[in-house]
Amino acid sequence: ETGVTQTPRHLVMGMTNKKSLKCEQHLGHNAMYWYKQSAKKPLELMFVYNFKEQTENNSVPSRFSPECPNSSHLFLHLHTLQPEDSALYLCASSQGPQGNYGYTFGSGTRLTVV
Amino acid sequence: EDKVVQSPLSLVVHEGDTVTLNCSYEVTNFRSLLWYKQEKKAPTFLFMLTSSGIEKKSGRLSSILDKKELFSILNITATQTGDSAVYLCAVEKNTGNQFYFGTGTSLTVIP
Repeated sequence: ETGVTQTPRHLVMGMTNKKSLKCEQHLGHNAMYWYKQSAKKPLELMFVYNFKEQTENNSVPSRFSPECPNSSHLFLHLHTLQPEDSALYLCASSQGPQGNYGYTFGSGTRLTVV
Repeated sequence: EDKVVQSPLSLVVHEGDTVTLNCSYEVTNFRSLLWYKQEKKAPTFLFMLTSSGIEKKSGRLSSILDKKELFSILNITATQTGDSAVYLCAVEKNTGNQFYFGTGTSLTVIP
């Protein structure tokens, strides 16, 4: 375990479903991130939170909705997804907003949209 | 447009070989370059490089950054099957929380 825990590990959902991904970190980090990893593509930054405040939203469609209730928890709410949204979703945390000590990643949620 | 390019995309070597993985970048407001090892799912942090010409080492792994030519290399000596993974390079910008990742190099070490 890396100290960043993601649940569920696998998720299959229909295009009309609503589901949420959860990320929890026990490292005392101040910044948390959502990344999307698709096959043969670089990791894509989706959202960044510093001290619970969203500081980055990289043109992510509104069918992805993040929530950060506190510095230790991060959610990604999903609704009306498309098959092309199938990917590995990685959560990461870092000590400070510019990742001075690098990221710590969770194990990811493998999402399949059918 | 900011980008990070890794090469080769994949590599198969025998145990004991030495490999060199490459990462070149075109990123404005460069702050640092990071290497990660991704086995199965969670990428794990290897190195952070901020200064040119200073080699960072951890066991059989080492890395160096060239800020003039805009690239970094990751060397692995005496490879072992446990080194099989995808190695990711990421470049951090000074402006906000911007990390740009390459597509990774998939390394397979066969006995």
